[in-house]
Amino acid sequence: ETGVTQSPTHLIKTRGQQVTLRCSSQSGHNTVSWYQQALGQGPQFIFQYYREEENGRGNFPPRFSGLQFPNYSSELNVNALELDDSALYLCASSLEPSGGYEQYFGPGTRLTVT
Amino acid sequence: QQPVQSPQAVILREGEDAVINCSSSKALYSVHWYRQKHGEAPVFLMILLKGGEQKGHDKISASFNEKKQQSSLYLTASQLSYSGTYFCGTEKVTNRDDKIIFGKGTRLHILP
Repeated sequence: ETGVTQSPTHLIKTRGQQVTLRCSSQSGHNTVSWYQQALGQGPQFIFQYYREEENGRGNFPPRFSGLQFPNYSSELNVNALELDDSALYLCASSLEPSGGYEQYFGPGTRLTVT
Repeated sequence: QQPVQSPQAVILREGEDAVINCSSSKALYSVHWYRQKHGEAPVFLMILLKGGEQKGHDKISASFNEKKQQSSLYLTASQLSYSGTYFCGTEKVTNRDDKIIFGKGTRLHILP
């Protein structure tokens, strides 16, 4: 049990719609990273937030955006959903953004785009 | 620059040993190891920082050869609970703001 929670567990959306996924980080963790994990692949880094500011972004288009709040919660928003966005979305919290700090993953949100 | 893991998959009998390798084309600051069981979140195993240290707990240990930009995860006397997919994640040394990049994973299946 890592103390990181995500909601919802599963979600089905239609192409073109918008979706918001939520994450509650472990208490005291200033950093949250979001990952997309396709079936049979490793997690792919979307972006990271540190103290409510974006602190690095992977190779994802601007329609993927995020927010981090002072209460250790965060959001991943995806606009104009595409079929390829179907995946498991994981958030992971850590004490600091880099330098070898371990990340604690939430259980993920399974997004299906039809 | 995604790290390369090998082998892609391995099947063992309970009690046998396994080695999973992770290599990068870039100089590394750290290597992270995670295990993910089907339908579950990745679970942190250990971090190795540059310096060539070796870490371990129980019968799982890992080494980090920063000159070769490689890390290996050793599973000794494997147990059924070790089954799952193992991911290494690497951080580059040139820019510590670079985030953890994960490999494609190594699927480990332990037979009774």
